[in-house]
Amino acid sequence: NAGVTQTPKFQVLKTGQSMTLQCAQDMNHNSMYWYRQDPGMGLRLIYYSASEGTTDKGEVPNGYNVSRLNKREFSLRLESAAPSQTSVYFCASSVVQGAEAFFGQGTRLTVV
Amino acid sequence: SQQGEEDPQALSIQEGENATMNCSYKTSINNLQWYRQNSGRGLVHLILIRSNEREKHSGRLRVTLDTSKKSSSLLITASRAADTASYFCATDSSYKLIFGSGTRLLVRP
Repeated sequence: NAGVTQTPKFQVLKTGQSMTLQCAQDMNHNSMYWYRQDPGMGLRLIYYSASEGTTDKGEVPNGYNVSRLNKREFSLRLESAAPSQTSVYFCASSVVQGAEAFFGQGTRLTVV
Repeated sequence: SQQGEEDPQALSIQEGENATMNCSYKTSINNLQWYRQNSGRGLVHLILIRSNEREKHSGRLRVTLDTSKKSSSLLITASRAADTASYFCATDSSYKLIFGSGTRLLVRP
């Protein structure tokens, strides 16, 4: 039982490159979330998916897209990376929206 | 701006002392949760308190919620060095979990 698994753990991108962050959970949770955390700050919600087949914008969605591929997987895509997107990205899931959330270990992304 | 704001931003105490951190929020909520984050790691859920509850306990943790003041507090009793971490409140408002900026707690041995 792995919980929430994020890949990759580390990534360096050049400005303008694209990439997809992968997230998978094995807890049969309905809701999944993507957050970013900048140094010394709290988490800001990028996008969330209340259930399979639905996605909604969070606090800071600009520059990102998401796909809820199935109940297990929720990916985050950066189409054209910018230095301002340098951050640690966390995926989380919960059985339903607003319930206790379980977090992955994060992806450290640097855009140069 | 973020929904929840923790106070203080940083707290340094001696092992064995109690640690209190506060969270204020802006809009009505369904529940409020507290999480811990060890340096560089993912967040771990500590406790959830519903909007119709006023106080909740879990081991050495005590959480209070005052919806009239839109505030919550987390008390860690008899702190240990292993409690050193950042603590975040998260509010469930419109069924989205929104996090505050966190309190960094240092427990000195």
